[in-house]
Order: sequence, then C-alpha cells, then structure tokens
Amino acid sequence: DAGVIQSPRHEVTEMGQEVTLRCKPISGHDYLFWYRQTMMRGLELLIYFNNNVPIDDSGMPEDRFSAKMPNASFSTLKIQPSEPRDSAVYFCASSTRQGAMNGYTFGSGTRLTVV
Amino acid sequence: GQQLNQSPQSMFIQEGEDVSMNCTSSSIFNTWLWYKQDPGEGPVLLIALYKAGELTSNGRLTAQFGITRKDSFLNISASIPSDVGIYFCAAMNYGGSQGNLIFGKGTKLSVKP
Repeated sequence: DAGVIQSPRHEVTEMGQEVTLRCKPISGHDYLFWYRQTMMRGLELLIYFNNNVPIDDSGMPEDRFSAKMPNASFSTLKIQPSEPRDSAVYFCASSTRQGAMNGYTFGSGTRLTVV
Repeated sequence: GQQLNQSPQSMFIQEGEDVSMNCTSSSIFNTWLWYKQDPGEGPVLLIALYKAGELTSNGRLTAQFGITRKDSFLNISASIPSDVGIYFCAAMNYGGSQGNLIFGKGTKLSVKP
C-alpha cells in the first residue's frame, strides 16, 4: 500500500485566497483524521470522519475551515479565506477501528504558508 | 481538556549516549503510543503500550506504560545520527470514541556525531 497520500506537499498563498488540501487514505481504512501542527500548539485534531461522515469537527478553528469526504478514497480540507495565522503543517491520517489501537497512519503533510 | 506534558522539549546529545524522555497526564489512559517524526514527514509509530506497567522494546528503543496509567517514558540506547527527529508521546482510551488520540508537544532530539 502507498500509505496516506497528501497533496500538495507545499502551498504558498496570499492572504484572502482559498486553499484546498487533499488526502487519499489507505484503502480499507474507514476513519480519516485531519490534524494541524504548529510550534506553539503541537498536533491538534481538527475533524475526523467515519465511513465518509463527519463525526467530530469541534477542533475546526473557524467557519473559514471546512472539510469534506465525498467518497472512501478522498477528502479535502478547505480554508477560505486564508489568513497568515493559518500557516502550519496539515496532516491527514487514517485508521480502521481495530487498527486504531496502533494509532493512526499519517501522511507526509502539507506545509501551508499564507503571506 | 486532556493534555499530555512531554519533557524535555529538546535534547542535544553526543552519538553513543542514551536518551530518556517522558510524558505525564492528569488523566488515565489505557493506551500509550510513541511516534517519531523525521523532518518533512508525518509521525510514524515506534511503540504501542496497552497495559499498566508494560515494558516494550523495539531495537534500541524501550518504552514503559506507567503503573498509574497517567505516564509513559521512552529510552533510546546508544544513540546514532539517524535518531535525530521529533519524538511524540500520544495517548488514548482505545474502545471509546475515535478521534480521542491526543499528542504531547514533542521532544526534539539532536545527535552530534
């Protein structure tokens, strides 16, 4: 398996622009998680899905953030409009319910810089 | 909310030295995990612990699940340059709701050859 695939790896955008981050989970994994990593706050869970349905989005910082999972093999995290404080590394991770006892498998992340 | 306090925040050591880092919480967990993050990559699982008092090794790495279920530590013996990276503890109550895996802030390890 190719693992969790995220794109793009790096994104530089101007304040006010829309940003879309993409994730392809491991085939057969029915849980998908979006995390944000910053120096100040570490790894924070933003939202997670089970069987393509959002279960808990309490970590989404503001209405500017939205996430979708139209099918089992694809999810997006969108920021509109982006702000400089959104600069961070965004990780997608996936798991099965049983496999969660071994934690989640993370992608390589998208480093977002908003200028 | 629940928090994991990980220390030290960073370490600078000489190749060959042993390393120790720990993680504490005011909450009880039934699963503790240790991850390593290489520069530009996502965290990768190193060791998983499921029972209070459990001691588990993975090569030069040894981790323990504290008997109070509120802490865990990770030891690296005879460090080598490729041990460089950020080490994260993580904890959850497996069997509860998903999405309850929380992370410490990480220990950044630098190894001088």
